[in-house]
Amino acid sequence: GQQVMQIPQYQHVQEGEDFTTYCNSSTTLSNIQWYKQRPGGHPVFLIQLVKSGEVKKQKRLTFQFGEAKKNSSLHITATQTTDVGTYFCAAPSAGTASKLTFGTGTRLQVTL
Amino acid sequence: KAGVTQTPRYLIKTRGQQVTLSCSPISGHRSVSWYQQTPGQGLQFLFEYFSETQRNKGNFPGRFSGRQFSNSRSEMNVSTLELGDSALYLCASSVMIAYPQAYEQYFGPGTRLTVT
Repeated sequence: GQQVMQIPQYQHVQEGEDFTTYCNSSTTLSNIQWYKQRPGGHPVFLIQLVKSGEVKKQKRLTFQFGEAKKNSSLHITATQTTDVGTYFCAAPSAGTASKLTFGTGTRLQVTL
Repeated sequence: KAGVTQTPRYLIKTRGQQVTLSCSPISGHRSVSWYQQTPGQGLQFLFEYFSETQRNKGNFPGRFSGRQFSNSRSEMNVSTLELGDSALYLCASSVMIAYPQAYEQYFGPGTRLTVT
């Protein structure tokens, strides 16, 4: 079945440092979504990317979709303690837009 | 709008028992998906219901089943529980955000199931 790999699994940064997580698929994706899950919480939708090479920004978060639509990244500038959580990418299975395959997630820890 | 609600929030069961979890989606959302989340396997898709019909299914054994009612509320059932079924079960209601490609999923708080 479809697999979506994410790296790194875990990253620990000092507040103010930047953070990036990468998502890779072996197949071309129709779109990719990003979710954030706070410790003890549930995944919350952040954004969706659809177009090849698309870049979207949400305040300190920058999301990119690769030209080949096989990879994506989430970059956080100047992390804050409120950024702590696990970030997941998710992609629909071929032919079934509502069935999402989630990446393995990147857990971000931010310390002062 | 009220968010996705799931009941119960916590459950402890014994091996061999069965369990039923409930999910009420956001009003107006007709698609409900279920996921199992464990530290080892991450978030895994169980199944999706749309207008009372199972539209998609993941790779889980037949012990895992579900259904959806006419008001879009959904239940999932796990029979003959095993220790490995201990997990956070998340329900998500979906709305299409880009035709025909994408559904934005709104997750509920989950049901934490512990099997002893």
